[in-house]
Amino acid sequence: SAVISQKPSRDICQRGTSLTIQCQVDSQVTMMFWYRQQPGQSLTLIATANQGSEATYESGFVIDKFPISRPNLTFSTLTVSNMSPEDSSIYLCSVGGTESSYTFGSGTRLTVV
Amino acid sequence: QQQVKQSPQSLIVQKGGISIINCAYENTAFDYFPWYQQFPGKGPALLIAIRPDVSEKKEGRFTISFNKSAKQFSLHIMDSQPGDSATYFCAASIKGAGSYQLTFGKGTKLSVIP
Repeated sequence: SAVISQKPSRDICQRGTSLTIQCQVDSQVTMMFWYRQQPGQSLTLIATANQGSEATYESGFVIDKFPISRPNLTFSTLTVSNMSPEDSSIYLCSVGGTESSYTFGSGTRLTVV
Repeated sequence: QQQVKQSPQSLIVQKGGISIINCAYENTAFDYFPWYQQFPGKGPALLIAIRPDVSEKKEGRFTISFNKSAKQFSLHIMDSQPGDSATYFCAASIKGAGSYQLTFGKGTKLSVIP
């Protein structure tokens, strides 16, 4: 299965600022996914990022708040914009072309103060 | 609307005991049911999975029991060990437009005490 490197692993940010999270995969993948894991909550899919096309956002998530880049088949970034304390979560990137091949990065633990 | 309900939220089991985590789903279109194990500071990792045409799947100490008519499935960890202490997520998958989409339960924090 693919190996995912995600960074930063954690950050503490001031409200109103933005943070860009990077996800690097050791092999070429068609689809990359970004999830949010809030404390005590499910993992929630934010968006699906395909190389060469606009990301597809799930209900409740918008591009202005969570812009995503997918410049090639091994890399993606998620930006959390104009942060508020409610954005404090763990953000995970994932890849998976089939059901059984879903692999997650170690996540970025974001705290907004 | 939560499509996959997981219980309990937390579980404490003695070493050597059996850990049981339950999940229920609503959408009958789900066709793949994985369990993920997550250690602190790590991303979730696939532990075991089952399809709805099978009632049970066993891999080592881990067993999934699946009840299609009741729309329920559960994870059993036999001979639980302190190293099993982690958060466990059940999930259900359905193929969307070009990809498989996972819907997760809220997770169960398992603590296995010596």
